[in-house]
Amino acid sequence: EPEVTQTPSHQVTQMGQEVILRCVPISNHLYFYWYRQILGQKVEFLVSFYNNEISEKSEIFDDQFSVERPDGSNFTLKIRSTKLEDSAMYFCASSDTRLSSYEQYFGPGTRLTVT
Amino acid sequence: KNEVEQSPQNLTAQEGEFITINCSYSVGISALHWLQQHPGGGIVSLFMLSSGKKKHGRLIATINIQEKHSSLHITASHPRDSAVYICAVRSGATNKLIFGTGTLLAVQP
Repeated sequence: EPEVTQTPSHQVTQMGQEVILRCVPISNHLYFYWYRQILGQKVEFLVSFYNNEISEKSEIFDDQFSVERPDGSNFTLKIRSTKLEDSAMYFCASSDTRLSSYEQYFGPGTRLTVT
Repeated sequence: KNEVEQSPQNLTAQEGEFITINCSYSVGISALHWLQQHPGGGIVSLFMLSSGKKKHGRLIATINIQEKHSSLHITASHPRDSAVYICAVRSGATNKLIFGTGTLLAVQP
């Protein structure tokens, strides 16, 4: 069964460093999302992406965040200058726009630890 | 005020018990999702529904659009059902999901 994959599974970085989290959505899906979950808190929406542009972003998704679809398979989330409060689990999801349901399929997540 | 509220926050049950987890929401939605999250963090979609009722194995999900309420039921619960169960709604105008805080379920043998 097709699945969303994410790499790395765990990333440790120092405050102020740039990180890139990678996602490979399900093939033929065209709608992509990033969510994050700070330890002990609920999952929060960051950004959705469709047709090579951001379709919606939350107030969390400020200028230090960016997303990109650099090729036909990858979808990335970049954090330019990480802060301690960026430590969280980051989930990528994708959905099939051909189906009116837009059901989202989640990747296993990347645990980001900023020290 | 949270747009999606779940109850209870924590639930401990004995194996075999019938379990109900509730979700209430305050926004207009196009769909409601029930998700499962195991220790280690991965999120698995259990149901997506916009009306009525769905059943998959021992899991049943219902939604009442007029009352803005959904329930997830687990029949004949088993220790392997132990996980966090999350309700999330897709807001009508966009595809983003708004998540509840989750219900931590522990099923004891």
